[in-house]
Amino acid sequence: DAKTTQPNSMESNEEEPVHLPCNHSTISGTDYIHWYRQLPSQGPEYVIHGLTSNVNNRMASLAIAEDRKSSTLILHRATLRDAAVYYCIRLAGGTSYGKLTFGQGTILTVHP
Amino acid sequence: EPEVTQTPSHQVTQMGQEVILRCVPISNHLYFYWYRQILGQKVEFLVSFYNNEISEKSEIFDDQFSVERPDGSNFTLKIRSTKLEDSAMYFCASIRTGIKGYTFGSGTRLTVV
Repeated sequence: DAKTTQPNSMESNEEEPVHLPCNHSTISGTDYIHWYRQLPSQGPEYVIHGLTSNVNNRMASLAIAEDRKSSTLILHRATLRDAAVYYCIRLAGGTSYGKLTFGQGTILTVHP
Repeated sequence: EPEVTQTPSHQVTQMGQEVILRCVPISNHLYFYWYRQILGQKVEFLVSFYNNEISEKSEIFDDQFSVERPDGSNFTLKIRSTKLEDSAMYFCASIRTGIKGYTFGSGTRLTVV
């Protein structure tokens, strides 16, 4: 049980922003929110993660709701290379680094 | 950027044969994992490994599977007697700390015939 809910698919146009939602209404206070993506025929790739505050890196931004029951991955300007399956994953915090439980994810299609 | 390297990229084996899938995690990483993905299905956790022992394993990881870190750099997954249903992509992953996420390799496609 991945314990997160994501839309099955989304579409975007190249160079437009993309907002990928994730619902994790049963999240506990110490769970991190991780996002990974999987390009065709490749392994999952880390995108970003956060706990409470919004986070930015060179790939994306992560906006976390104040109640932490949902989050949104933001790709500021989609490129064709961003077409992938995006996974939102809860991960227990603490000093151990446990398994990632993948769901079906959101298939992102980017149109030229 | 450092990478997790997996070999071979594709392996074909006959049912009942033993296979060893190899991974070289990032050198300063401490936690190691194997996942698999059957074609068209979700990525599934198999096993995690820390401090030279298994820290967690899934129901999939039965007695036919074993993992080893024989020389401090390689991390291997052995399937003793392969079945048709073992055909899948197998991904190795590693992590050092939670500052950044897990790094996955590009996978080994195992085909059992």
